[in-house]
Amino acid sequence: DAKTTQPNSMESNEEEPVHLPCNHSTISGTDYIHWYRQLPSQGPEYVIHGLTSNVNNRMASLAIAEDRKSSTLILHRATLRDAAVYYCILRDFGGSQGNLIFGKGTKLSVKP
Amino acid sequence: DTEVTQTPKHLVMGMTNKKSLKCEQHMGHRAMYWYKQKAKKPPELMFVYSYEKLSINESVPSRFSPECPNSSLLNLHLHALQPEDSALYLCASSQDSRDRGFSGANVLTFGAGSRLTVL
Repeated sequence: DAKTTQPNSMESNEEEPVHLPCNHSTISGTDYIHWYRQLPSQGPEYVIHGLTSNVNNRMASLAIAEDRKSSTLILHRATLRDAAVYYCILRDFGGSQGNLIFGKGTKLSVKP
Repeated sequence: DTEVTQTPKHLVMGMTNKKSLKCEQHMGHRAMYWYKQKAKKPPELMFVYSYEKLSINESVPSRFSPECPNSSLLNLHLHALQPEDSALYLCASSQDSRDRGFSGANVLTFGAGSRLTVL
């Protein structure tokens, strides 16, 4: 799978929006962009995914650049519970089973 | 039921012990995974099962032995482990690409993990 690049850490204030960037300049046409997060002492949890168009769900929004070489996960109003490591992962369509490979992720801290 | 359940939550074992980690899901997923996570590191893929058959082994030492007795259960048998094997072991499941109605996105659902300490 193509590689992703994320900042090591970011900080946000509670109740403010957070924009978590991800670069994936070698993305292929069949790669989905997935975001997972891992809260302290828990397993990773799925956040959102997209292919070409921007996506919204109850947890977050995903903005995908027109050339698909970058994307941004948007948390509209950060809460203390959103403090976690956020992983941006490319996953080939058709689910080549072994390829949910985690990079280092971005550790998000949320200040009250 | 949208959960992956892992037992035990914590396990302490000596280097000569034999123990097992268990994972169960009832979402009808036919792909199941084991990941290993050391402190402050991302999860690392160990094994993937597809339709109860081992499809990927990421060069894991033979002291880790996976087993998938049926489509809902995944075990990881542990024998003669080393202290450096102490880690959080995560199980996950997903649709399989051979499933009818496969969405293509192949989202994984993870369990909370089993924290293993080898003395």
